[in-house]
Amino acid sequence: DQQVKQNSPSLSVQEGRISILNCDYTNSMFDYFLWYKKYPAEGPTFLISISSIKDKNEDGRFTVFLNKSAKHLSLHIVPSQPGDSAVYFCAASVGAQKLVFGQGTRLTINP
Amino acid sequence: NAGVMQNPRHLVRRRGQEARLRCSPVKGHSHVYWYRQLPEEGLKFMVYLQKENIIDESGMPKERFSAEFPKEGPSILRIQQVVRGDSAAYFCASSPLGLAGPPGETQYFGPGTRLLVL
Repeated sequence: DQQVKQNSPSLSVQEGRISILNCDYTNSMFDYFLWYKKYPAEGPTFLISISSIKDKNEDGRFTVFLNKSAKHLSLHIVPSQPGDSAVYFCAASVGAQKLVFGQGTRLTINP
Repeated sequence: NAGVMQNPRHLVRRRGQEARLRCSPVKGHSHVYWYRQLPEEGLKFMVYLQKENIIDESGMPKERFSAEFPKEGPSILRIQQVVRGDSAAYFCASSPLGLAGPPGETQYFGPGTRLLVL
């Protein structure tokens, strides 16, 4: 029962271009969505979040979009930089802080 | 300002042995969460503890697994009689606010313990 899905295991983007990572969810009770970045041998690092009452949240080069009717959210990174190469996890929660994670998307930024 | 510390970083056990994973939260944080990541999968919630209390253990296997967060000292995730399927990365996260605060962005993750069961 995968409530949060990231259907693209990997994504390759040229440096300077836009990276778009996608995430779908099935549980309409989720009220908070988050993106984490993870380097090998490290723990996840929080990037950006969005409440279910909003449809967009922006923080520097990172923007998260939420489409509740489609149960879909996306993370846009622009411009992409080599240091952005990592695994990105989408996560969601219902009220309390228990997080439900997607499988992750490995992003590679090519020079 | 030390972040979440986990030790050991790597742990090798033979089937049937016990594994003890330790997590020291960020100083001043009283809420701890444990997650498990199997190979090629996302992190899965196991248990949420506040000092001396288990708040939510809905993700913990019913047998062999236990967790504690004593008044003094680190949080411990204990796996008894390990099996090969327990091989995974175990991450601990801490939060200063718990349920009272906004979720996710206040959870700070440790580097994880990689458990290998032979």
